[in-house]
Amino acid sequence: DQQVKQNSPSLSVQEGRISILNCDYTNSMFDYFLWYKKYPAEGPTFLISISSIKDKNEDGRFTVFLNKSAKHLSLHIVPSQPGDSAVYFCAAKPASGGYQKVTFGIGTKLQVIP
Amino acid sequence: ETGVTQTPRHLVMGMTNKKSLKCEQHLGHNAMYWYKQSAKKPLELMFVYNFKEQTENNSVPSRFSPECPNSSHLFLHLHTLQPEDSALYLCASSQDLRDTQYFGPGTRLTVL
Repeated sequence: DQQVKQNSPSLSVQEGRISILNCDYTNSMFDYFLWYKKYPAEGPTFLISISSIKDKNEDGRFTVFLNKSAKHLSLHIVPSQPGDSAVYFCAAKPASGGYQKVTFGIGTKLQVIP
Repeated sequence: ETGVTQTPRHLVMGMTNKKSLKCEQHLGHNAMYWYKQSAKKPLELMFVYNFKEQTENNSVPSRFSPECPNSSHLFLHLHTLQPEDSALYLCASSQDLRDTQYFGPGTRLTVL
């Protein structure tokens, strides 16, 4: 049973427009969320994160929104650029305690069309 | 070298072979991880090491044997694997167990 779900396997967006990648989770113990980006033949690279005490975190062109009541988060990329074409993984973990296992989604492949 | 490196990048092995995957991190981190990524599946945590000590074994079959000689190096020893073990094996490290993980490029393993 997937606790972190990315229901869209792929997304195509025109350059300059907004890309919105969605993620849903089922475990109410999750309260720290991350987005990773992965290019082919490379490992995932950390992109942006958000704690459950916030509902928005912004870093340049990337903004993550968190809706705790809906157990939903989204990553907005604006404006989208061809270099953003990659697979984006949503991840979540509980924040308390020592080791917190990170649970990943299956990924959404974003293609930004020039 | 910077970041997290993994060798080899590609490996093809038979079911009776013994091989090892190597991971090295140049970030001064104390925790290291092995993940498996199979096609159309999420990243699956295999092992966690913190200060060279194994803290997590996520019910991984014994044909996978990890080794962490120091905080900078992590190995995954493979023997008598099955074709279903073919996957991308990713190594990651973090400053401590609660910190953000940084990944290597992975080893693409094919078991014939």
